[in-house]
Amino acid sequence: GQQVMQIPQYQHVQEGEDFTTYCNSSTTLSNIQWYKQRPGGHPVFLIQLVKSGEVKKQKRLTFQFGEAKKNSSLHITATQTTDVGTYFCGVQGAQKLVFGQGTRLTINP
Amino acid sequence: DGGITQSPKYLFRKEGQNVTLSCEQNLNHDAMYWYRQDPGQGLRLIYYSQIVNDFQKGDIAEGYSVSREKKESFPLTVTSAQKNPTAFYLCASSRQPGWTEAFFGQGTRLTVV
Repeated sequence: GQQVMQIPQYQHVQEGEDFTTYCNSSTTLSNIQWYKQRPGGHPVFLIQLVKSGEVKKQKRLTFQFGEAKKNSSLHITATQTTDVGTYFCGVQGAQKLVFGQGTRLTINP
Repeated sequence: DGGITQSPKYLFRKEGQNVTLSCEQNLNHDAMYWYRQDPGQGLRLIYYSQIVNDFQKGDIAEGYSVSREKKESFPLTVTSAQKNPTAFYLCASSRQPGWTEAFFGQGTRLTVV
């Protein structure tokens, strides 16, 4: 089935530093979704990327979809304590939605 | 308000007992999913359903069962055959499987003692 690898598993940064998480697939993806799960909460949808090379921004968050549609990244500029949580990428595979392992972001204020 | 509701939030069961987790949505979504999350782990797919009266096994279906008799409801039964049932269970729904954003319930934290 469709699988996607997400790295790193953990990332600890100082507040104000940048953060990036990556999702990689061995096969071409039809689309990719990004979710954020706050500690003790449930995943919440952030964005969906569909087009090759697509770049979307949400304030300090920048999402990219690779040209070959096999990888994607989420970059946060100048992290804030509100960015703490686990970030997941989700991909479609055989009419189901599967997720990467997630990257847990912790921030030192 | 439209949304997806899981109940209960916390559930305790004795080892060897079956337990059913509820998931209801009023978003008129066709697709529904069950995921399991262990501490510090990702979301692993247990079962999913694309339409009423149809469902498929996910990556870790052993020891679990589901039903989809109504579009709004997708209950998950954790059976005594599940070796390590203690976990955080998340239900989600989407308008189209994998093509549109998924909405998650608040989750049920199951503890088996």
